[in-house]
Amino acid sequence: QVQLLQSGAEVRKPGASVKVSCQTSGYNFTAYYLHWLRQAPGQGLQWLGWINPNSGGRISAPRFVGRVTMTWDTSISTAYMELSTLKSDDTAIYYCARTKWADNWFDPWGQGTQITVSP
Amino acid sequence: EIVMTQSPATLSVSPGERVTLSCRASQSVRTYLAWYQQKPGQAPRLLVYGASTRATGVPARFSGSGSGTEFSLTISSLQSEDFAVYYCQHYHNWPPGITFGGGTKVEIK
Repeated sequence: QVQLLQSGAEVRKPGASVKVSCQTSGYNFTAYYLHWLRQAPGQGLQWLGWINPNSGGRISAPRFVGRVTMTWDTSISTAYMELSTLKSDDTAIYYCARTKWADNWFDPWGQGTQITVSP
Repeated sequence: EIVMTQSPATLSVSPGERVTLSCRASQSVRTYLAWYQQKPGQAPRLLVYGASTRATGVPARFSGSGSGTEFSLTISSLQSEDFAVYYCQHYHNWPPGITFGGGTKVEIK
């Protein structure tokens, strides 16, 4: 079955960077888009951007341009999201999720990675 | 960006009751609308896409409807496992960007 397995929780200080991985299995990695989203404590869902491993394209949400870097390694069907210049309000659970096209519904989702930014 | 507004924020209901959750878009998203269920400590789970198509494995008591700017998710007879937060999400491609509603929490009365 299709699975997205994310890396474990991380704690960082303000100003640092963090990199989260999303290892996929059960489908052709290059046939789907892979998105990154986040959810701050007690809050709703916020979309960060997507990658297209087939075309090499990637798009970040405007508020994250310049701070988020999305990469991937097709040989191991794994995507990565690095967020730099961390602030306390970047504390959130970060998810990866799959879609068939750029603008689409998300299914399935990774289990989430807790990122905590604290002095 | 398109703003998605869900109402109410919280719904207190008893098991077995019929529940209707609302989602409004700030401009037409046609039927490019999905619904998700999220339980504490879990990732969201897709329930409905295309405004009214149930995802694989979703029980028939869940139904979605609407188009344009007004959408609803109905749970015909609430089960204990349905107490959760529900989010709507548009995926219309213009203007660019994917956005979610703020969520409706369905809690036990």
